[in-house]
Amino acid sequence: GAVVSQHPSWVICKSGTSVKIECRSLDFQATTMFWYRQFPKQSLMLMATSNEGSKATYEQGVEKDKFLINHASLTLSTLTVTSAHPEDSSFYICSATTGRGAFFGQGTRLTVV
Amino acid sequence: GESVGLHLPTLSVQEGDNSIINCAYSNSASDYFIWYKQESGKGPQFIIDIRSNMDKRQGQRVTVLLNKTVKHLSLQIAATQPGDSAVYFCAGRYNQGGKLIFGQGTELSVKP
Repeated sequence: GAVVSQHPSWVICKSGTSVKIECRSLDFQATTMFWYRQFPKQSLMLMATSNEGSKATYEQGVEKDKFLINHASLTLSTLTVTSAHPEDSSFYICSATTGRGAFFGQGTRLTVV
Repeated sequence: GESVGLHLPTLSVQEGDNSIINCAYSNSASDYFIWYKQESGKGPQFIIDIRSNMDKRQGQRVTVLLNKTVKHLSLQIAATQPGDSAVYFCAGRYNQGGKLIFGQGTELSVKP
């Protein structure tokens, strides 16, 4: 149990376009999900907390207008990278917490060309 | 500010030896710590956790030690195997909504 699934696993997009990443809790409901980004050889950096039915809470330095988060249901949160640029290329990971702990998706590799 | 960091960025051990990965944290407000294993191109995988009211917890081949006095956390892996090769992160959960703050990470390399 406690499976978190991300889609897509990887995506390549052109500079200036927008990309949507989905995070689903498959066998449990998640009122709160978290979005992280990770650069090569670095740790996970928390970007924002996604709250079902309300606005996301962004960490300091993360542009909320660039990284749009929507948590419309108890099993789905989406992260949209708007007007993507090469510096947005990264590994994006979501997680959800249950009474048994925090579980992570498999990550989405975004490459902006 | 909040931070959870590691002493060693890389660790190389011989197969069968024990491994010890260390982590230091600065914010004493954390009530819960977790160790994760991350293989290349994948999301973090839960290994073991410990609550702040404990100082030791054992799992299968792994042990986590927590020293709140010096704000130090360690992960011990017994009889390290090639399949243990990965990057290991510690993370602390803080009371503001349960978010996790991750440490720097240690890359463990197991030599056969």
